[in-house]
Parts: sequence; C-alpha cells; structure tokens
Amino acid sequence: DVKVTQSSRYLVKRTGEKVFLECVQDMDHENMFWYRQDPGLGLRLIYFSYDVKMKEKGDIPEGYSVSREKKERFSLILESASTNQTSMYLCASSLVGRGLTNEKLFFGSGTQLSVL
Amino acid sequence: SQQGEEDPQALSIQEGENATMNCSYKTSINNLQWYRQNSGRGLVHLILIRSNEREKHSGRLRVTLDTSKKSSSLLITASRAADTASYFCATDATGGFKTIFGAGTRLFVKA
Repeated sequence: DVKVTQSSRYLVKRTGEKVFLECVQDMDHENMFWYRQDPGLGLRLIYFSYDVKMKEKGDIPEGYSVSREKKERFSLILESASTNQTSMYLCASSLVGRGLTNEKLFFGSGTQLSVL
Repeated sequence: SQQGEEDPQALSIQEGENATMNCSYKTSINNLQWYRQNSGRGLVHLILIRSNEREKHSGRLRVTLDTSKKSSSLLITASRAADTASYFCATDATGGFKTIFGAGTRLFVKA
C-alpha cells in the first residue's frame, strides 16, 4: 500500500523556534507538496517540489522554506515560528500523469502544529 | 488565490438521500479531482475527471465537468452515515504541477 508518513502527529513549539516538519513517501513519486489547512480556508499550497533539489513556491511561501535532498523525503522548515503559523500541515506526493499533470495526490495524516 | 471553491460550505442530509456539491475554478485546467477528508486526517483521492471529459462515475459517485462554466459537481447517491466527511475539489492548472484545493464542503449524513 502506498504510504506518506509525517514525522509527528502533534507538535508544540515556542515563538521564535526553528521547526522542522518531515515527510517521507515510499512510492518513488516525483512530486511532493506541503499544504497548510485552516478552518474555512481549505488547503493552501506552501511549496512543492518536482524533483530532488528542485522546489517552487506555492501560494503562501512566506515564513517557510523547504528541502528535498532525497527523492523520498521533503522537509518543511519554519525558520522562526510565529503564532500565525499554528495550523494543520499536510504533506502529499503524486505521480506525474499524462500531459505532465498531477493525477492523484497521496496525503500523510497531517501534523497539528501549535506555536505558543 | 484559490483555484477551486466549493458550494455549499456545509450540507446536512438524511441517510439514503443524494448529496450534491459544486466546485468553481478560475483558470484553464488539465484535470479536476475530488478528495474526501475524515475529521482531522489526511485527504483521500476519490475521482479524477479530465478537461476533455464531461461526466464520470465511480460506484455511488458521479462527477460532471463543464469547462465553459469552469465548474464541476460531485453527486453522492444513496448517502450513508459513513459518507460524513469534508469534500474538496482540486485542480491542476494548465502548464504546471500546482494542485490547488478549494475550501471544501462539510457533509453530514444523519442516520
């Protein structure tokens, strides 16, 4: 079975801390994504990566960075956590389908991050 | 800027009734997908419809796509209490790898 694993289910950090959220997929997918989900706002794309060491900004990249040193691992970094980054963070991966599009995203279970 | 936006925001129905959710988007797309999310968990892919398709079925799910109106609908027939979840549409804009989600519809099916 396809699997996307996020390192923590719940995380509590203090303002100003550097935070790492890890995501690993076992499906050899090219594309990986980080979204944040807030009530009433749905999922918003932070960053995505279409290959090792390649990354592109999503709709809300401010305050975040990412790292993809290996194909199976995509890390989200909060350089200096702030209270407005309290949210559910969802990682996903996908195969590239016909026409070079994403056809099916596989999601991890999410990390609920609280920044105090 | 969200590509897909669902309507209604919330829907409450009786078991056995049909549930219809709508999605609108803004730009040209390669495909449109629907996902389901049980409370506090990750999303699960339900169905994909390509930009050159008008209708697709999968079990009790029926999806339509109208590219001239930039809209899609998801119909769940004979709903069950286990269908209670949030449903999201997601689009892949032409020419990129960005998959953008809407705000979702919360469906509650009463037993």
